Order: sequence, then structure tokens, then C-alpha cells
Amino acid sequence: GNSVTQMEGPVTLSEEAFLTINCTYTATGYPSLFWYVQYPGEGLQLLLKATKADDKGSNKGFEATYRKETTSFHLEKGSVQVSDSAVYFCALSAGANFGNEKLTFGTGTRLTIIP
Amino acid sequence: DAMVIQNPRYQVTQFGKPVTLSCSQTLNHNVMYWYQQKSSQAPKLLFHYYDKDFNNEADTPDNFQSRRPNTSFCFLDIRSPGLGDAAMYLCATSWGQKNTEAFFGQGTRLTVV
Repeated sequence: GNSVTQMEGPVTLSEEAFLTINCTYTATGYPSLFWYVQYPGEGLQLLLKATKADDKGSNKGFEATYRKETTSFHLEKGSVQVSDSAVYFCALSAGANFGNEKLTFGTGTRLTIIP
Repeated sequence: DAMVIQNPRYQVTQFGKPVTLSCSQTLNHNVMYWYQQKSSQAPKLLFHYYDKDFNNEADTPDNFQSRRPNTSFCFLDIRSPGLGDAAMYLCATSWGQKNTEAFFGQGTRLTVV
């Protein structure tokens, strides 16, 4: 079956530090890959996505590249801010029958940025 | 501008007393999903609707039911809430294709007393 393995948290960084959150996946076929962010007490928001190999998704200074050869989709940001403190979920969608598409989530990584 | 709206944001219910959570969308998406998220865990899919077609996950307890009276609204009914059902419940919508994202509501935090 499909699965997503995410870097264990929590992660604590100082402001302006470089961020990497690792994500690897197992899927049949050719999945689409997503990073969602969840701020305290809120629902999930899409941060970025990539739908085919070598695609790079980017948003708000975050980037992730779809690497089929290593089945990875690591999230990176060059200089984090306090406002980036949240829980980050890696997810995949693996192309089931139309209308039955479902997201498979990783366990989430809690990120805390200290000033 | 809210596109997926969940009501209420916070719900307290008594052990064993039926409770209904609601979700509405302005996106006209075909698919509506209900997820359960317990503290520090990934969201767990309970079921979803593709239009009027209901799809239950194999491990969703019978205690959880859902209704979708029209495209815009979807309800989660918990027939006899137990203490273990306390969680955040997230509604999401999408077009149901693998390259399109899901849009989530803000969630309803359910407390069982």
C-alpha cells in the first residue's frame, strides 16, 4: 500500500536558520506529492505540491523537489521565521479511480522557531 | 472568503449523547472528506463522498455516520460518542483527481465529557 515516512520531530531552530524536513514515500504508480502546514488550532493548508518527477514546488520561501529515483520530497527553506512555527505534513495522492482519490499523510513534524 | 466552513469550531458533548458536526463548501467540489485527527497525529480518513456516492474506510467504526444532502453540505454524525472519540474533526473538499489538492476547513474540536 501507499505510505509516507516523515522526519521525526519536534524540530527547534533559531530564526534565519536553514530548514530541511525529510519525507520519503512508497506508492504504486506515479503519485502527486504535497506539503501541508497546520498552524495551532487550525485546519491544514496546502503549502506546495509537485505532480511529476523532477517538478519543484515552491511557496513562501519553501521548496521541495519530487525525486523519483530516491522516492523523496524533502521540504527546505533557506531562512526560517518565527511565523513558520507550525506542524508540517507530507502527503501523497496516488491516482486511484477518479473521485476516489485520497491523501495519505505522514505523521507530521512540529517545527518551532525561536527568536 | 472562507471556502470550507466547519461549525461549530468547538463542541462539547456528553458521553453517549449523539452529536452532529457540519461542513459546507463554496467551491462546488465533487468530493467531500471527513478526517479525524488526534493530538500530535496525522489526520485519519473516516469516509468520503464523491457526489452522492459514499465511501467508507474499512476501519471506520460503525459509530460514525455521514450524510451529504447536497453538493454544498456534509455532516458527520457520531451516534454514541465515547471518550476515545475526542479529537479534531477536519472536513476537506477536492475535485478527486490525484494532481489536485484538498481544501480543508478549520476543524471542529470535539470534547466528550
